[in-house]
Amino acid sequence: NAGVTQTPKFQVLKTGQSMTLQCAQDMNHEYMSWYRQDPGMGLRLIHYSVGAGITDQGEVPNGYNVSRSTTEDFPLRLLSAAPSQTSVYFCASSVQRNTGELFFGEGSRLTVL
Amino acid sequence: GENVEQHPSTLSVQEGDSAVIKCTYSDSASNYFPWYKQELGKGPQLIIDIRSNVGEKKDQRIAVTLNKTAKHFSLHITETQPEDSAVYFCAASINNNNDMRFGAGTRLTVKP
Repeated sequence: NAGVTQTPKFQVLKTGQSMTLQCAQDMNHEYMSWYRQDPGMGLRLIHYSVGAGITDQGEVPNGYNVSRSTTEDFPLRLLSAAPSQTSVYFCASSVQRNTGELFFGEGSRLTVL
Repeated sequence: GENVEQHPSTLSVQEGDSAVIKCTYSDSASNYFPWYKQELGKGPQLIIDIRSNVGEKKDQRIAVTLNKTAKHFSLHITETQPEDSAVYFCAASINNNNDMRFGAGTRLTVKP
């Protein structure tokens, strides 16, 4: 099983550039989310979705946009990258919002110069 | 909002010894407390979780304890093995939802 697939694994951007991190899951999960992981700060929730067409903000949403047009895909967009967005990004999914276990992708390491 | 603190940030033990990682949370309404293990270059993976109606849960060499009064919970790993070396995250959420707050992580090293 593929589970949660993230692309790209590595990306270097210049300040002001835009890009999209892709996330796809093949488990028919309703809940999907994006986290960023920074040293000494754990995982912080950026945006989440409880189903196709529904998205909401997490703890650190500024500078990021998301959409959920299908159950499988949940892309994360950086419209104008800033050095503060240098981080490792994880997509995660779950059967439903309140069922506990999150299944994580392998991460996307983003560097903004 | 919820705030989760995790200690220690690094932990080194000898193979066969026990390891304990502790977390505290701030919101008394939190009722779901998972622990995730992250191996190098991988995403976190759930290893054990506990809900607020239970004080302790065990799964082979791993156990989690919860003290609701003190608002803290702990991960216990017995008979540690080199493959237990990883970063461990605790988390807490209200109403079991997945918008959970994570601790900063503990890097566990098990020396052979």
